[in-house]
Amino acid sequence: NAGVTQTPKFQVLKTGQSMTLQCAQDMNHNSMYWYRQDPGMGLRLIYYSASEGTTDKGEVPNGYNVSRLNKREFSLRLESAAPSQTSVYFCASRVDIGYTFGSGTRLTVV
Amino acid sequence: SQKIEQNSEALNIQEGKTATLTCNYTNYSPAYLQWYRQDPGRGPVFLLLIRENEKEKRKERLKVTFDTTLKQSLFHITASQPADSATYLCALGTTSGTYKYIFGTGTRLKVLA
Repeated sequence: NAGVTQTPKFQVLKTGQSMTLQCAQDMNHNSMYWYRQDPGMGLRLIYYSASEGTTDKGEVPNGYNVSRLNKREFSLRLESAAPSQTSVYFCASRVDIGYTFGSGTRLTVV
Repeated sequence: SQKIEQNSEALNIQEGKTATLTCNYTNYSPAYLQWYRQDPGRGPVFLLLIRENEKEKRKERLKVTFDTTLKQSLFHITASQPADSATYLCALGTTSGTYKYIFGTGTRLKVLA
C-alpha cells in the first residue's frame, strides 16, 4: 500500500500562474484534508472533505479551491498564485482517529 | 483565540534518558489530543491519541498524559535513542464528525549519542 501519494513533490510558480496539487489515497478512507505548513505557524487546515462529494473550508481557504474527484482523490488548486502561498502542502486522509499524511509538496511562488 | 503552545526551542538530551515534551493550549476544550512525529522533508506520522477522559496512554517507549484542568499534555520518550531525533507535533481535536485538528508548531528533539 502506498498510503497517501502527493504530486508533484516540488514546484516553482510565477506570481499569477495557476496549478493543481494532486492527492490520492489507497486506504479507502472517507475523509481527506489539505494543510499547509509554514515556519513558526504549524500546520493550518485549508480545506477538507468529510466524504466523497462534500468539501468545506478550513482555517485558511482564501486563494484555494478543491475538488473531491472520487473517494480516492482530493485535489487542491491555486487559481492565481501569490508569494504568500509559498509553503509546504500536505494532504492527509483519516479513518477512525489518526491522520495519514502524504510526503508533501514544496511550492515556491516567485 | 485558540492557541496551542509547544516549546519552539530544540530539546537536546543524552541517549538513554527520558525526553519530556510539553503541549499547552488555551481557549479550547479538545475531546482528543494527538501526537505526531515529523522527520525533515517528510509528512507527520501519527503516534498516539488520548481522549479527554483518559489521564495517560502508553505505547512501547512512549507515554502521553492529558490534564484538562491544566490544559496540558506531556509526551515522554523513555530510554531515548538517536533514532528518536525528530520534530514532535501535538494536535487537538473536537468531537465533531469532521475531525478537524489544530496543530502546534512542534518541538525539535535531538538525542545525543
